[in-house]
Amino acid sequence: NAGVMQNPRHLVRRRGQEARLRCSPMKGHSHVYWYRQLPEEGLKFMVYLQKENIIDESGMPKERFSAEFPKEGPSILRIQQVVRGDSAAYFCASSLSGHPGDTQYFGPGTRLTVL
Amino acid sequence: DQQVKQNSPSLSVQEGRISILNCDYTNSMFDYFLWYKKYPAEGPTFLISISSIKDKNEDGRFTVFLNKSAKHLSLHIVPSQPGDSAVYFCAARVNAGNNRKLIWGLGTSLAVNP
Repeated sequence: NAGVMQNPRHLVRRRGQEARLRCSPMKGHSHVYWYRQLPEEGLKFMVYLQKENIIDESGMPKERFSAEFPKEGPSILRIQQVVRGDSAAYFCASSLSGHPGDTQYFGPGTRLTVL
Repeated sequence: DQQVKQNSPSLSVQEGRISILNCDYTNSMFDYFLWYKKYPAEGPTFLISISSIKDKNEDGRFTVFLNKSAKHLSLHIVPSQPGDSAVYFCAARVNAGNNRKLIWGLGTSLAVNP
């Protein structure tokens, strides 16, 4: 049973370009979470999605960032017009259901570097 | 405002001895606490959790203790093994509505020396 998959593992973008990060949850999981880890910091929640729905986006920056989890295909975190401060590791997690006690399983992360 | 605090950035322990990692929190609404382990260039791996209605949970070599009055929890690893060397994150959650987000500490880097 494959774990949470994220791609690409490393992404380099120049300032002003767009970054697209993909996350395929574990098989059977329909709940996805995105977290960001800035250098020398802990993980920070960004957004929680179910299939075709954004449940909680309280951690998303107001501009340039968006997320989706379509009926078919992976969840996408999209960052438009990237800036140097967006350089971070972006982790995706998935859970079987949205039950509060459900464990969140993490992917290996995408390391975004903005030049 | 750091709601989950891991005040020791690093810890070094001899193989076979006990490792104790500490975590303090400020939000009394947290109802669930988790410990994750992370190796470099990998995602966090779930280790063990505890509900706020309990004061202890044990799984093999790992035990988590919760002291609600002190808003403190700790992870005990015994006996420690070199493969336990990693960064350990304490995380917490408020059970409210659709909230499922985890609030994380900054991590403690554990080194287990052979």
